[in-house]
Amino acid sequence: AQRVTQPEKLLSVFKGAPVELKCNYSYSGSPELFWYVQYSRQRLQLLLRHISRESIKGFTADLNKGETSFHLKKPFAQEEDSAMYYCALGGAFGNEKLTFGTGTRLTIIP
Amino acid sequence: DSGVTQTPKHLITATGQRVTLRCSPRSGDLSVYWYQQSLDQGLQFLIQYYNGEERAKGNILERFSAQQFPDLHSELNLSSLELGDSALYFCASNRGGNEQFFGPGTRLTVL
Repeated sequence: AQRVTQPEKLLSVFKGAPVELKCNYSYSGSPELFWYVQYSRQRLQLLLRHISRESIKGFTADLNKGETSFHLKKPFAQEEDSAMYYCALGGAFGNEKLTFGTGTRLTIIP
Repeated sequence: DSGVTQTPKHLITATGQRVTLRCSPRSGDLSVYWYQQSLDQGLQFLIQYYNGEERAKGNILERFSAQQFPDLHSELNLSSLELGDSALYFCASNRGGNEQFFGPGTRLTVL
């Protein structure tokens, strides 16, 4: 069964400090991993997908198949990064449900 | 706005009642997904429709049902409502691949 684990429900970081949001997954096959972000009172929006290997708003995430992890990182936190972050897993063939982690609420302390 | 839309934004009802949530996908998207977001369960997949046909089912209760109409909008029907059904219900759509585009959600409160 596919599963996504985000061990931290809450994470507080000082502005300018590095951020790392953890995500581990289990899936038998080649999954596609995503990070979605939900700012206050807004809809979920895609932040990153592992296949694009790009940096969005200073965030990066590398898929580590050996450790089955897809941690989200940013070297210098900004106040506008405060939001709810969800790691999600999609199947190998696309056009399927996403399996979400329980989310991490990130708060940036000014 | 050509994004995913959902109505209503908020819904307050009583136990035992029935409600209908509506979702309009992005233009051209054939797949619609419904998710339930509650405080203790996070985001849970309920059901997927593709071009009018049910494609996949998740943790959807028998009291819940959905359909997708010829114009591709979808409705989620929740009946015999219980307090525990209070949650945010999200709809998402796509036209292939895994990336999904989410609507703003409907917040359901059952009193």
